[in-house]
Amino acid sequence: DAGVIQSPRHEVTEMGQEVTLRCKPISGHNSLFWYRQTMMRGLELLIYFNNNVPIDDSGMPEDRFSAKMPNASFSTLKIQPSEPRDSAVYFCASSLGTGATYSNQPQHFGDGTRLSIL
Amino acid sequence: ELKVEQNPLFLSMQEGKNYTIYCNYSTTSDRLYWYRQDPGKSLESLFVLLSNGAVKQEGRLMASLDTKARLSTLHITAAVHDLSATYFCAVSHSNSGYALNFGKGTSLLVTP
Repeated sequence: DAGVIQSPRHEVTEMGQEVTLRCKPISGHNSLFWYRQTMMRGLELLIYFNNNVPIDDSGMPEDRFSAKMPNASFSTLKIQPSEPRDSAVYFCASSLGTGATYSNQPQHFGDGTRLSIL
Repeated sequence: ELKVEQNPLFLSMQEGKNYTIYCNYSTTSDRLYWYRQDPGKSLESLFVLLSNGAVKQEGRLMASLDTKARLSTLHITAAVHDLSATYFCAVSHSNSGYALNFGKGTSLLVTP
């Protein structure tokens, strides 16, 4: 089975530009998570969706960040305008569900997008 | 807010030796996870622990959970070079949709 697919793998852009990161979760998974990894802050949750609905976006750093999940097989994370401090690795993860039925299932991570803002 | 502390953060050990990584968390958690990350790579799930006293083993790695002490351990037996990686502990709770709260990770280097 295909895992979580993220694109692009690498993105280098100049400050002020719009950046869009994409994620295709594992088919059948109904929970999707966006995480950011930096040396200073480690791995931190940005936002998560359940059945395509955003549930908690309290981890989104500021209004420059937005995320959507228009359908069960696609999500985007957008940064506009981008700043150098947004440079990080952005991971998308998906899981089967959040109820007791799937309590022993882990979140499956994509390969990440390595973002550099100059 | 769930806080997760791992120690040690860096570990260099010789092949063939045993060692334990510790993970403490601050409040009640429904699930505890261990992940492995190789440099520049994604996170690979190792274990999911749910209940007090749970123990899971895979190869040279064994994870355990003590919910009363809010402590999980990852024990490495007879380390080999291929185990060199960063190991993350994470906890989640139903109140936050089982989103993961990660520790800072333990960077493990196994040397000959």
